[in-house]
Amino acid sequence: GEDVEQSLFLSVREGDSSVINCTYTDSSSTYLYWYKQEPGAGLQLLTYIFSNMDMKQDQRLTVLLNKKDKHLSLRIADTQTGDSAIYFCAEMGPGGSYIPTFGRGTSLIVHP
Amino acid sequence: EADIYQTPRYLVIGTGKKITLECSQTMGHDKMYWYQQDPGMELHLIHYSYGVNSTEKGDLSSESTVSRIRTEHFPLTLESARPSHTSQYLCASSDSTGPRTDTQYFGPGTRLTVL
Repeated sequence: GEDVEQSLFLSVREGDSSVINCTYTDSSSTYLYWYKQEPGAGLQLLTYIFSNMDMKQDQRLTVLLNKKDKHLSLRIADTQTGDSAIYFCAEMGPGGSYIPTFGRGTSLIVHP
Repeated sequence: EADIYQTPRYLVIGTGKKITLECSQTMGHDKMYWYQQDPGMELHLIHYSYGVNSTEKGDLSSESTVSRIRTEHFPLTLESARPSHTSQYLCASSDSTGPRTDTQYFGPGTRLTVL
């Protein structure tokens, strides 16, 4: 079945850029998503990208998609302490299942 | 942006009690989902619904049940709570139409502790 892999932890200094990586196995994915989860809260949709796009930028967030390598990344520019959270990558395949496959989440720690 | 609500936010209850976790959305989404998530851990899909009177079990075996009598409401019930049910429960919904087709929107979660 489909699989989505992420590294578990990332630590960065405030003001630096953060890059969170994700790999997936389903080459027929139609949508790929990034969600943010703060402690004790639900998942907040940050951004998504269609599989026919290579890049999407939204303010401090840049999503890069390499379909050949099945690699998705989320870059956060000028990372702030408020960006500390768990970031989940998810992919949606075709075929009408309507159920995305989530990665295990990357815990981003931003220190002064 | 997303109007999806869960109550209660926190619940501490004794073993053997029957509980219902509420989830409601005001977006008219046809699909709804329940996930179980242990702290800092991955999401596990336990139930989903494609519409009224449609419910399916997810990937993770669960002793809970769900119902979908109205589009906006998707409650989850545990007939007899056990300490192993202690977890965070996340509700989500998605829409088959519109520019963000199938994108899931999540509620704030219910943190359940069974003593």
